[in-house]
Amino acid sequence: AQTVTQSQPEMSVQEAETVTLSCTYDTSESDYYLFWYKQPPSRQMILVIRQEAYKQQNATENRFSVNFQKAAKSFSLKISDSQLGDAAMYFCAYRRYQGGSEKLVFGKGTKLTVNP
Amino acid sequence: EPEVTQTPSHQVTQMGQEVILRCVPISNHLYFYWYRQILGQKVEFLVSFYNNEISEKSEIFDDQFSVERPDGSNFTLKIRSTKLEDSAMYFCASSEDKGGTDTQYFGPGTRLTVL
Repeated sequence: AQTVTQSQPEMSVQEAETVTLSCTYDTSESDYYLFWYKQPPSRQMILVIRQEAYKQQNATENRFSVNFQKAAKSFSLKISDSQLGDAAMYFCAYRRYQGGSEKLVFGKGTKLTVNP
Repeated sequence: EPEVTQTPSHQVTQMGQEVILRCVPISNHLYFYWYRQILGQKVEFLVSFYNNEISEKSEIFDDQFSVERPDGSNFTLKIRSTKLEDSAMYFCASSEDKGGTDTQYFGPGTRLTVL
């Protein structure tokens, strides 16, 4: 079974600085998708960024980028120019590319605090 | 921008009562999901639904749970006889197609409190 591990329960960053959140995963599949979701205090799950495993190029979305290391099964999220609104729980998630299951498997999350 | 909606936002019920959580997925989406998140824990998959039947369900999704798409827009999760441990945030999600590049978009969640 696939597992997702986020080893940093909490992180903090100064406003305008850069922070990196770590995620590792375990799978025997070669094709899959990885996601970062943000959960602010409202508890809604908001997609931040998505990476297809078959793509070597790291995904970027404005101030958010990933460092995808397929061989190492690592998928970290970098937030540049951190803003107060970035404060939230961040969940890393895995999904198989094909097969009978399209479910997301989540890590336990990292709580990000942004200090003014 | 289309979004997944869920009602109610907060449901309080007595142990043993039945509850129905409602979701309206994004209109052109074909795959529907329920997840739950017990306070302070990670989000867990409950069930996926496609073409009016369950595609996959987790161990959590026992006989007390059921899902239904009663019409062309709603997707419901029923808990037949609630237990204290069912207290959680329940998220509905939908995606446009199976596999491929399809992202699951989440609703705002329903907080279920079982007393």
